[in-house]
Amino acid sequence: QVQLWESGPGLVESSGTLSLTCAISGDSVRSRNWWSWVRQSPGKGLEWIGEISPTEETKYNPSLRGRVTISLDKSRNQFSLELTSLSAADTAVYYCVRVLIDFQGFPDWGQGTLVTVSS
Amino acid sequence: QTVVTQEPSLTVSPGGTVTLTCTSNTGAVTNAYSPNWFQQKPGHSPRALIFGATNKHSWTPARFSGSLLRGKAALTLSGVLPEDEAHYYCLLYYGDAWVFGGGTKLTVL
Repeated sequence: QVQLWESGPGLVESSGTLSLTCAISGDSVRSRNWWSWVRQSPGKGLEWIGEISPTEETKYNPSLRGRVTISLDKSRNQFSLELTSLSAADTAVYYCVRVLIDFQGFPDWGQGTLVTVSS
Repeated sequence: QTVVTQEPSLTVSPGGTVTLTCTSNTGAVTNAYSPNWFQQKPGHSPRALIFGATNKHSWTPARFSGSLLRGKAALTLSGVLPEDEAHYYCLLYYGDAWVFGGGTKLTVL
């Protein structure tokens, strides 16, 4: 059974940088699967942020490109999200997600972590 | 800008059948968009239901089915139960990015 846990500060300052980590059990970042971040602003829908492959190829939401970086930590079996130049619009629950290779779906989600951007 | 559109809200009676749709402003949705469907209940993470337009995960109840219908991705619930009341989101692939639809709030009443 695959489990994902997000961790990071719940409160960050406007214009600052958000850094979140997703710890993985039951799979490896070295496997063939991809690893993704999705967020949800309070009361709103889901927004795909980006994803990373085991070879560290990345894809990002065009609306966030330039502010977002997703990376792997193979020694710790985790992956991370960094989002810069924060504004109130970045306040959201952030989810880490396992994406199965060959478009086999997004079956495993973390519990989500709320990040509030303070002004 | 790529926009994926879903019905904002739908209502269905218990035991009834309802179809939720997912459209793209770029044209007809095909298997190339690898449609995924998710269910989300308040306070919970999304739960994956369908991938590749029609494929169910091992935990997806039989009453849920995915299809491509007249240029749209569709999620049909047959024999709806009260516990199916939730938000449903579709997700489409555009070559180098995924885009979620705005979600459908399904009310069972």
